[in-house]
Amino acid sequence: SAVISQKPSRDICQRGTSLTIQCQVDSQVTMMFWYRQQPGQSLTLIATANQGSEATYESGFVIDKFPISRPNLTFSTLTVSNMSPEDSSIYLCSVGGQGAEQYFGPGTRLTVT
Amino acid sequence: KQEVTQIPAALSVPEGENLVLNCSFTDSAIYNLQWFRQDPGKGLTSLLLIQSSQREQTSGRLNASLDKSSGRSTLYIAASQPGDSATYLCAVRRGSARQLTFGSGTQLTVLP
Repeated sequence: SAVISQKPSRDICQRGTSLTIQCQVDSQVTMMFWYRQQPGQSLTLIATANQGSEATYESGFVIDKFPISRPNLTFSTLTVSNMSPEDSSIYLCSVGGQGAEQYFGPGTRLTVT
Repeated sequence: KQEVTQIPAALSVPEGENLVLNCSFTDSAIYNLQWFRQDPGKGLTSLLLIQSSQREQTSGRLNASLDKSSGRSTLYIAASQPGDSATYLCAVRRGSARQLTFGSGTQLTVLP
């Protein structure tokens, strides 16, 4: 199994600012995924991050709002830009292999005031 | 587009009961199905993974079944304990795509 850590674990941010969330995995993985879980909701995929290429965004999510970096096979960042209260959510990164289980980080709980 | 539904949305049972959580999906062309547990404000813990060719998987007091043709999976929890209280999520993976489509979850409360 993969061990995934995220930083920060939680943050309270002002409207209009940006927050960068870090995800570190203890092994090299090809794909990393970023999910959002809004209050009382299930998880929604934001984007898939491949090392060495642009992230692939799901419908409703755009790079200007959620820029992603993937500098190597064990690390990725997700930035939530120009935040509004609607961005208050838990943000989770995830990894998984072909035919294998997917593993999730502990999440970053973001509150925008 | 794959849709995943979980019933019931919430369930409260006394300690010691056996219980079943249900998950249904609209597109039977799945690669695998995974059950997760989520504690309040926390990340997801993987419980069981069932490949599309499998009928069931067991881990301790947990047993998950899969009927791909009918688009259904169940998670059976035997002899429930207060520590089982959490939200249980099922998620399906379709084909070569590695991302998951999640259900809305069942919030389980086991009363001591």
